[in-house]
Amino acid sequence: DAKTTQPTSMDCAEGRAANLPCNHSTISGNEYVYWYRQIHSQGPQYIIHGLKNNETNEMASLIITEDRKSSTLILPHATLRDTAVYYCIVRGYNNNDMRFGAGTRLTVKP
Amino acid sequence: KAGVTQTPRYLIKTRGQQVTLSCSPISGHRSVSWYQQTPGQGLQFLFEYFSETQRNKGNFPGRFSGRQFSNSRSEMNVSTLELGDSALYLCASILGPSGVYEQYFGPGTRLTVT
Repeated sequence: DAKTTQPTSMDCAEGRAANLPCNHSTISGNEYVYWYRQIHSQGPQYIIHGLKNNETNEMASLIITEDRKSSTLILPHATLRDTAVYYCIVRGYNNNDMRFGAGTRLTVKP
Repeated sequence: KAGVTQTPRYLIKTRGQQVTLSCSPISGHRSVSWYQQTPGQGLQFLFEYFSETQRNKGNFPGRFSGRQFSNSRSEMNVSTLELGDSALYLCASILGPSGVYEQYFGPGTRLTVT
């Protein structure tokens, strides 16, 4: 079973920041927070992951709360091509079986 | 470098048949995980292989099996196909067995069972 809770859907205006929340209140100390997205029946695409510090890469930023019970994925300037289902996953250090939940369907609107 | 390759991309089988799907991971990656995606159940973990050994297995019946070869390529097999096995089967390529590494997914094999 997925260990995360995400809103079912969200909308965002093109060019604005998209902030996607995720709750993972039962996360353990050695578990990472991973974000993936899936665009219509393609394979999921890796976005970013973190343990406890905030992370940033060319695609997005990941903000993890100090207690690590929730996180937010930030797409700084959303484009129409960012329309996808976004999955937040908690994954152990020695664990490659990722438990996907239902994810958040993000729709970027012009 | 080349990404994850899955073959075939599309497959149609009838109930009772068996099927074998193939996955070639990214060069240098030694772990492969398999997932099943259906509209009703979403993405579900099937199993993971590292160095030709199954490390972990999801909650699927024994009809679902897999293996990994010495070159890290992996196959999964589904025997006695059922209608409910119709799904997108995805494999993910991982550098190693640790959860610190990101998983890179292939395009998937879409299996239709009639």
